[in-house]
Amino acid sequence: QSVLTQPPSASGTPGQRVVISCSGSSSNIGSNAVHWYQQLPGAAPKLLIQKNNQRPSGVPDRFSGSKSGTSASLAISGLQSEDEAEYYCASWDDSHVIFGGGTKLTVL
Amino acid sequence: QVQLVQSGAEVKKPGAAVKVSCKVSGYTLTTLSLHWVRQAPGKGLEWMGNFDPEDDETIYAQKFQGRVTMTVDTSTATAYMELSSLKSEDTAVYYCATEWFGELCAYWGQGTLITVSS
Repeated sequence: QSVLTQPPSASGTPGQRVVISCSGSSSNIGSNAVHWYQQLPGAAPKLLIQKNNQRPSGVPDRFSGSKSGTSASLAISGLQSEDEAEYYCASWDDSHVIFGGGTKLTVL
Repeated sequence: QVQLVQSGAEVKKPGAAVKVSCKVSGYTLTTLSLHWVRQAPGKGLEWMGNFDPEDDETIYAQKFQGRVTMTVDTSTATAYMELSSLKSEDTAVYYCATEWFGELCAYWGQGTLITVSS
């Protein structure tokens, strides 16, 4: 059971804005940064958002992250079919890394 | 250009051990923390541990304590993850991933499928 809680699924139509949540506690999100990963089918995960809200080079600005207290969110605006993937949040917790259970995003 | 290239898929019998390699290029292995993450079929990501060269310390997830060993060979720029006493539940894709100046798991290897079956 993941210490970071994500909804198992989310969906939207092309062009819509979708938000995926990640809930933790004071020992992880509450005191450490949150990172988000995108995993396309059959591929390795890819860093999408680092340190709560920073996009690594090459990540479109349609993707944005935020954090408040012990929760974080990933927002995807202008949804595209290629955004259909699994999304994971991650954070440090007492010198260990923990991942959320993942959210399967479906573009309808 | 940072690259992590992992060893190929393996099939192991229950009780055996497996050693997965991760050859890095584009940076010096001893300057950035390297993590191992696994993913069972149809399941999420599970952190196994990491080697932190800054502290010269290796930290393992409690679940794998006593069964996993992570090492690095600086002469070949290769990191290794060895998992012993394999069970069917260890069937998974194993990934190595490096930090990049504060970016957690910024670059990933292609993954290595380990199948445990009698």
